[in-house]
Amino acid sequence: QKEVEQDPGPLSVPEGAIVSLNCTYSNSAFQYFMWYRQYSRKGPELLMYTYSSGNKEDGRFTAQVDKSSKYISLFIRDSQPSDSATYLCAMGRAGGTSYGKLTFGQGTILTVHP
Amino acid sequence: DAEITQSPRHKITETGRQVTLACHQTWNHNNMFWYRQDLGHGLRLIHYSYGVHDTNKGEVSDGYSVSRSNTEDLPLTLESAASSQTSVYFCASSESVVGTDTQYFGPGTRLTVL
Repeated sequence: QKEVEQDPGPLSVPEGAIVSLNCTYSNSAFQYFMWYRQYSRKGPELLMYTYSSGNKEDGRFTAQVDKSSKYISLFIRDSQPSDSATYLCAMGRAGGTSYGKLTFGQGTILTVHP
Repeated sequence: DAEITQSPRHKITETGRQVTLACHQTWNHNNMFWYRQDLGHGLRLIHYSYGVHDTNKGEVSDGYSVSRSNTEDLPLTLESAASSQTSVYFCASSESVVGTDTQYFGPGTRLTVL
């Protein structure tokens, strides 16, 4: 079983829809949670970074972390065609032998059509 | 502006040949990472380094090696390329501060082994 599970999709939605992307994890040692966005033939770029349980909002994007359920989500409101990309969740542990390393989900391919 | 670059962007090689992929960052980050990205597997860690002369194996290190002679560069070498190493390779870097796990990615190198 993988430490981080992410539904690969693909997910296709109409413009303006609310998108929900999710990851589950099995290791309670994860303390940092990130979402990366990757456009086709580009490197991943950081979209959201959260540390604690709860919600963090940035414009149309909201990241949600529920440590008790080992579940994280990314919500995109009023989705746009420019949001079409692969979204990867990533998680990190504080210190120890896992210092600095991230564990990634498989990525979800999202297409927002006009 | 600080950045991370990879070269070449595309490479075709033959089975058994030695191949070196370059990664150069101007962030002055101590931590550097090499990943491969394959459909259905997401990003998998190959090797990583916490500083000059430090290298460590990741989860898929067989057939790969790295060396770190300065802060800016972490070249990845495929000792004897195999068709199973056809993939997209990403280099990333991050600060050496506990709690700051954000990794910045290069644009990737698409490698084909025939």
